[in-house]
Amino acid sequence: AQSVTQLGSHVSVSEGALVLLRCNYSSSVPPYLFWYVQYPNQGLQLLLKYTSAATLVKGINGFEAEFKKSETSFHLTKPSAHMSDAAEYFCAVSDALGNRDDKIIFGKGTRLHILP
Amino acid sequence: DTGVSQDPRHKITKRGQNVTFRCDPISEHNRLYWYRQTLGQGPEFLTYFQNEAQLEKSRLLSDRFSAERPKGSFSTLEIQRTEQGDSAMYLCASSPFRSSGNTIYFGEGSWLTVV
Repeated sequence: AQSVTQLGSHVSVSEGALVLLRCNYSSSVPPYLFWYVQYPNQGLQLLLKYTSAATLVKGINGFEAEFKKSETSFHLTKPSAHMSDAAEYFCAVSDALGNRDDKIIFGKGTRLHILP
Repeated sequence: DTGVSQDPRHKITKRGQNVTFRCDPISEHNRLYWYRQTLGQGPEFLTYFQNEAQLEKSRLLSDRFSAERPKGSFSTLEIQRTEQGDSAMYLCASSPFRSSGNTIYFGEGSWLTVV
């Protein structure tokens, strides 16, 4: 069974500071990994995804994430936070082998607060 | 914009009533997913379809819940005899089958409040 654990349900950073949101995954098969963002009262938008190509993945809005197999991690970073980054962020995993059971499983989310 | 469309966006219903949500996926996406999200939680998988075939149902999907995708295009999620615990946002998503990375695209969600 696959799962993700997001460390920290709330993270606060100052505007202009580094953003680091942590995600660890568990998977018995090679995973695909995702970060989604959700703004209030909206659906989820894909930020970036890892699909076994480059381990450093660049996404939208200046975010990037690095796949580290040895640490089973896929942490999300952004060098300089903007007020508009305040939202809920979800890490997710699915089965990369294209099996029938390849639904996406989400973590519980991390709410990012940006301090002026 | 031809993204995933969900209707209604908000529904308030009395306990015991039936409700139905509709989802129109992105055109030509043959996979369609339903998730449920409660406040402070991540989306929880409910069920998914490939074309008109329902391939998997979560244990979260009690027998009061039924989902259909009769022609392999739009889908409906019906909840019978609603309970207060059903209050949540119901998210629909779609993807092309075996797309690179299995990326799924979400709709805006349908909020259900059971009073």
